[in-house]
Amino acid sequence: AQKITQTQPGMFVQEKEAVTLDCTYDTSDQSYGLFWYKQPSSGEMIFLIYQGSYDEQNATEGRYSLNFQKARKSANLVISASQLGDSAMYFCAMREGWITGGGNKLTFGTGTQLKVEL
Amino acid sequence: ETGVTQTPRHLVMGMTNKKSLKCEQHLGHNAMYWYKQSAKKPLELMFVYSLEERVENNSVPSRFSPECPNSSHLFLHLHTLQPEDSALYLCASSQVAPIIGQGAADTQYFGPGTRLTVL
Repeated sequence: AQKITQTQPGMFVQEKEAVTLDCTYDTSDQSYGLFWYKQPSSGEMIFLIYQGSYDEQNATEGRYSLNFQKARKSANLVISASQLGDSAMYFCAMREGWITGGGNKLTFGTGTQLKVEL
Repeated sequence: ETGVTQTPRHLVMGMTNKKSLKCEQHLGHNAMYWYKQSAKKPLELMFVYSLEERVENNSVPSRFSPECPNSSHLFLHLHTLQPEDSALYLCASSQVAPIIGQGAADTQYFGPGTRLTVL
């Protein structure tokens, strides 16, 4: 069963407008973490923002904010004042647990391709 | 250099070749990861090393052989690959969480990837 669902394969937004990228997740754990990464065409996955399941406030990092609705199991990324450089693939990921011996396990969604237009 | 670097950035190989992918992290982390990213599929975790010990092998075929000589370097040795192995291979590193629980202390940071084509 898919644990991270990103239902928008592609999105368009006008420069300087805000855009919301959807992410829903499925877990029975009480403790988990949610991450958003940006992947430009160059390939590198760039960490954007993190939200812990016990965090009471929505996470914010500059122009990025996370709309966390725990009961609905959604963690949508909001990008304000879009810029041309925001055009990229965006991935939502969930950390459900840790690996015995160290390290953590992330489950990724299939991503949303965002295109910012003039 | 900073962050996570990967070489080569692009690799074309035949099915009978042997090649290696290299990853180096400059973040002082102690866990390293190999992922495979195929078109239209979610990222797949392949291997995890923590404190230079392999702690996860996600049912990866033996034609992929990882090596972690120290906490800063990770290799993926490739031999007798198949065309379906063509993909972007991403390396990541993280801190091993000092206390298991909430927090972003063990966020994974990725390199730029190696685009592999198997002919």
